[in-house]
Amino acid sequence: AQSVTQLGSHVSVSEGALVLLRCNYSSSVPPYLFWYVQYPNQGLQLLLKYTTGATLVKGINGFEAEFKKSETSFHLTKPSAHMSDAAEYFCAARVAGGTSYGKLTFGQGTILTVHP
Amino acid sequence: DTAVSQTPKYLVTQMGNDKSIKCEQNLGHDTMYWYKQDSKKFLKIMFSYNNKELIINETVPNRFSPKSPDKAHLNLHINSLELGDSAVYFCASSQDYGETDTQYFGPGTRLTVL
Repeated sequence: AQSVTQLGSHVSVSEGALVLLRCNYSSSVPPYLFWYVQYPNQGLQLLLKYTTGATLVKGINGFEAEFKKSETSFHLTKPSAHMSDAAEYFCAARVAGGTSYGKLTFGQGTILTVHP
Repeated sequence: DTAVSQTPKYLVTQMGNDKSIKCEQNLGHDTMYWYKQDSKKFLKIMFSYNNKELIINETVPNRFSPKSPDKAHLNLHINSLELGDSAVYFCASSQDYGETDTQYFGPGTRLTVL
């Protein structure tokens, strides 16, 4: 069965510092991978996704993530945190191979706090 | 224009009641989903419909019954509400249910069962 693990339920950084949010997946077949952001009292918004091709994926708001098959990871980074980045971030995976019918498996979420 | 909308935003009710949550998308998508986010923020899919047909039905109590009157709407009816049903319910839609299709989420409905 597929699972997604986000290391660290809370991450705190200073404004201007590097943001690193960790995500690992377990799947017999490398899945398609997604990062979503949820601002308070709002729905989830797609930040970026990896399907095929280049393993370094750039998303909105200056975020990027790198798919590393050997490490079964898809960590999210941003070089310089901004106060507006404070939110909860979810990593998600979808099984490749046409049997998932769109089903996304989510990690537990990581709350990012940005200090002035 | 809101792409995926849900009503109501908040729902407070007593145990044993029956309630419905409505979802509408104006993106022209063929596939819609219901997710449940529990108190620990864990998100899990419940149902998915494609062109009004059920394609995903996770292990959900049969007190939960989704209904899709047309491609743009997917409503969730819950019978005999229990305390454990308290959660945030998110509706989502995607162009299709392909592996790379992006899902667009609604703002969520916070259900509190007393």
